[in-house]
Formats: sequence, C-alpha cells, structure tokens
Amino acid sequence: GENVEQHPSTLSVQEGDSAVIKCTYSDSASNYFPWYKQELGKGPQLIIDIRSNVGEKKDQRIAVTLNKTAKHFSLHITETQPEDSAVYFCAATSYNDMRFGAGTRLTVKP
Amino acid sequence: DGGITQSPKYLFRKEGQNVTLSCEQNLNHDAMYWYRQDPGQGLRLIYYSQIVNDFQKGDIAEGYSVSREKKESFPLTVTSAQKNPTAFYLCASSIDRRYGYTFGSGTRLTVV
Repeated sequence: GENVEQHPSTLSVQEGDSAVIKCTYSDSASNYFPWYKQELGKGPQLIIDIRSNVGEKKDQRIAVTLNKTAKHFSLHITETQPEDSAVYFCAATSYNDMRFGAGTRLTVKP
Repeated sequence: DGGITQSPKYLFRKEGQNVTLSCEQNLNHDAMYWYRQDPGQGLRLIYYSQIVNDFQKGDIAEGYSVSREKKESFPLTVTSAQKNPTAFYLCASSIDRRYGYTFGSGTRLTVV
C-alpha cells in the first residue's frame, strides 16, 4: 500500500517569510495529492490539491508542486501570516486509498 | 449550508462502556470515513463506507463498529474491546475516495 512521509514535523518562521513542507510517497500509481490545514481543536480543511497530470498549482499565497519522477510533492506558503499557524497534512491517493502524512506543525511568529 | 456535523464535541466514557459518536452530512457524498487522531500523530483510518449498507475496515478497526443505513449518517461505536479509546475522532465524507475529503469538527473522547 501507499506510504506517505512528511517533513519537517515542526516548522517555525517569521511573519512574512516563506514556509515549505515536503512529502514523499511510495506508490507510483498515486494520482491525487491534497493538502489539509488543521487548526487547534478543529477538523482538517482542504486548502489545495493537485493531480498527477499537473506539475504546479497556485492559489494566492499557497502553491503545490509535484515531481512524479522523484515521487515527492511540496506545499509552499509565501508571505506567511500568524493565521497560517496550524498543523498541515499532505496526502496521496492510490487505487481509491488515501494515505496521510504525519503532519507539520507550522508556527508563524509575529 | 452543506457540511458535515459531528456530535458531541466532547464525550466522557467510563471503562467498560460502549459509546456511539454521531456523524451526519448533507453534501450528498457517497463515501464516508472515520479517522482517529492521537496527539502529535497523523490520521489513522478506522472504517470507511463507499455506499449505503456497505463498509470496510481500515487500519485500526479492532474495538470499533459502524453502520451505514442512510447515505447521510455514519455513526461510530467505540466498544469496550477498544483498549485505549481516548483520542480525537474525525469523520469525513467525499464524492469517492479519489477526491478531497470534507471533515467534521471532531469528537474528543476521554475515558475516565
């Protein structure tokens, strides 16, 4: 089955800096890669996703890149703000099986 | 507004008791899921259902049971057989497993 690894587990940045979270996956058949943001005491929310036929996708300050050859994908947040502080999860879907990374706790210091 | 509702938000259970967590969605999604989240860890799949009256075990189904009698509802029962039930439980739904999930706000279960 699919295995997703996520790094780093914690990330602290200064407000206005960029943050990058990286994930690798094991199953080359994976074709859908969503990212979720979870605020304290709440359920995760889908913030951006990418399919295997696309290399990059942007939505305002958030972007995701996918390298199918290397089997890794990354979340990029530019101009970080304190409200970006949360836990971020990546996921990969293979044969109708979605697997999550262990999460990255992002802290944006004002 | 369409969404997914979990209740209660907090639940306390005595050892040896069964308890049922509610999950309702009005998104017309066919697939529903239950995940367990422990502090500092990722999401582990307990059970999922892709259609009414059908459900499948996930990675950590032991000590849990579910039913899917209606498309909108997917309740999870934590039985006394679950040795370490204290955790944050998340319900989710999606069109199917190839698409992004909509999560509920979670139920925090504590065994006292």
